[in-house]
Amino acid sequence: EPEVTQTPSHQVTQMGQEVILRCVPISNHLYFYWYRQILGQKVEFLVSFYNNEISEKSEIFDDQFSVERPDGSNFTLKIRSTKLEDSAMYFCASFRGGKGYGYTFGSGTRLTVV
Amino acid sequence: GENVEQHPSTLSVQEGDSAVIKCTYSDSASNYFPWYKQELGKRPQLIIDIRSNVGEKKDQRIAVTLNKTAKHFSLHITETQPEDSAVYFCAAVSGTYKYIFGTGTRLKVLA
Repeated sequence: EPEVTQTPSHQVTQMGQEVILRCVPISNHLYFYWYRQILGQKVEFLVSFYNNEISEKSEIFDDQFSVERPDGSNFTLKIRSTKLEDSAMYFCASFRGGKGYGYTFGSGTRLTVV
Repeated sequence: GENVEQHPSTLSVQEGDSAVIKCTYSDSASNYFPWYKQELGKRPQLIIDIRSNVGEKKDQRIAVTLNKTAKHFSLHITETQPEDSAVYFCAAVSGTYKYIFGTGTRLKVLA
């Protein structure tokens, strides 16, 4: 079964540093997403990406965040200057579009900002 | 704004009993309602979903019901087993394919 792959699985970074989280969505999927989950809380929408541009973003997704699909396969989330409250599990998801299919989530990147 | 409420937040049942988790959504444009199971430290996994033109769907021990008028949908697990223990999330999805998740239910099945 096709998978969404995320790397790294765990990243520890100093406050103020930039991090890039990487995702390889399923190859024939058209919609791409980043979600985050603070420990013990619900999964929160960050951003959706379709047709090489952001289609929607949440209030969480401020100027410190950016996404890219640089080469047609990777889908990256960059946090420019990390804060302690950015510590969370970040999930990438992809979706083919149309009817009858749910998202496929990646296995997540646990980001710890110290 | 868009919101999905989920109850209960924790649920303990004896093995073999049924478990019911309920969600209410606010966006009347929502037309797709997936349920995810998340084991500790792992990604959410889709277990069942329902579209707005259907009132009920069943897959072995798992069923989902939808009441569009009341904006309620529920997950029913029958004959629960210890391996059903996990956190379950409902979600409501509109035409933009953005998932709004509920707050999660921690289900514990006691052997």
